[in-house]
Amino acid sequence: QQPVQSPQAVILREGEDAVINCSSSKALYSVHWYRQKHGEAPVFLMILLKGGEQKGHDKISASFNEKKQQSSLYLTASQLSYSGTYFCGTGSNYQLIWGAGTKLIIKP
Amino acid sequence: DVKVTQSSRYLVKRTGEKVFLECVQDMDHENMFWYRQDPGLGLRLIYFSYDVKMKEKGDIPEGYSVSREKKERFSLILESASTNQTSMYLCASSLAPGLGSFFYEQYFGPGTRLTVT
Repeated sequence: QQPVQSPQAVILREGEDAVINCSSSKALYSVHWYRQKHGEAPVFLMILLKGGEQKGHDKISASFNEKKQQSSLYLTASQLSYSGTYFCGTGSNYQLIWGAGTKLIIKP
Repeated sequence: DVKVTQSSRYLVKRTGEKVFLECVQDMDHENMFWYRQDPGLGLRLIYFSYDVKMKEKGDIPEGYSVSREKKERFSLILESASTNQTSMYLCASSLAPGLGSFFYEQYFGPGTRLTVT
């Protein structure tokens, strides 16, 4: 079942913080985060693994609550380059199940 | 850097035509995936392959088939294109076969925007 992302869209001023959430109804082994800019391919940001291991980005952080089956992506002091659509993918068995995306718009 | 390339960025086909979408990766990845992306629905897995000549159905395989004759190449075939297959098609690859695949990041190609008229 598709994970639920919230909010669906958010508009920020440059320098403001954002939190994007991803919730699943199934037990999670991993959560992936990707960003897609308009007209481009999704680009990997971060993986969070069950047990606490985290692989990914220097300037973006995330949390993974295994009990609540949810993850949150934290974008602090947002830059114009952070604009795009953010997708979470929840790992189960052999594939990722992707959320519908959160559109982030950063204004100067 | 990993590079995933797709044969076309834009494609226009007629209803009933057989359509081939090609994907090539240059990093010797075991896994390759075909997704379609539609507004508000995110990425939906059509098929994936974890080895040459091996394939598994994803969530929406109906109307599609795939071929993986060489490790670096994964083809998506629309046997008889229909208007409801108008979409963005994304290919991806990742390390690790089988059950370990969700531990590794996926690398995406630029996508093919297919329009079926």
